Amino acid sequence: AQSVTQLDSQVPVFEEAPVELRCNYSSSVSVYLFWYVQYPNQGLQLLLKYLSGSTLVKGINGFEAEFNKSQTSFHLRKPSVHISDTAEYFCAVSLTGNQFYFGTGTSLTVIP
Amino acid sequence: NAGVMQNPRHLVRRRGQEARLRCSPMKGHSHVYWYRQLPEEGLKFMVYLQKENIIDESGMPKERFSAEFPKEGPSILRIQQVVRGDSAAYFCASSPPSRVYEQYFGPGTRLTVT
Repeated sequence: AQSVTQLDSQVPVFEEAPVELRCNYSSSVSVYLFWYVQYPNQGLQLLLKYLSGSTLVKGINGFEAEFNKSQTSFHLRKPSVHISDTAEYFCAVSLTGNQFYFGTGTSLTVIP
Repeated sequence: NAGVMQNPRHLVRRRGQEARLRCSPMKGHSHVYWYRQLPEEGLKFMVYLQKENIIDESGMPKERFSAEFPKEGPSILRIQQVVRGDSAAYFCASSPPSRVYEQYFGPGTRLTVT
């Protein structure tokens, strides 16, 4: 079975500083990987996805993530955060594309 | 192109009542998924449906919960005889038939059981 671990439940960071949100997964086979963002009282919005090909994936709002197969990781990064990036971030994995397994989320707080 | 729509956005039910949550997928999407998010937790898969078929219901509780996606109309998640533990946010997602890995989420229905 697949599982997703988001190592940090809360990440405070100052405005314009870089940030990395960590995600590790467990699977014995190839998977699809995703990062979603959830703003308060809203649904999830897809930030980026890895299906195959280049291990560096670029998404919306200046975010990117790197797939590392040997470390089974898919960490999310942004070189300079804005106040508007304050939100909950979820990493997800899917084997077939049907059923998604989500991590417990990382709450990113950008401090002015 | 309107996104995934869910209604109601907020639903309050007393213990023992029934809750019906509706989800209208994006235009052209024939696959629907339901997830539940408990407070301070990530989303948990419940069920995957195509028109008139349940494809995977491995995440659905065995009792009181059911889901359908009829030929016409929205997908419905039905919870009978609700209990306090059913209080959660329920999210629906949809995807096009050719790209099932592209799931687009609705804004969710927040169910409160009193």
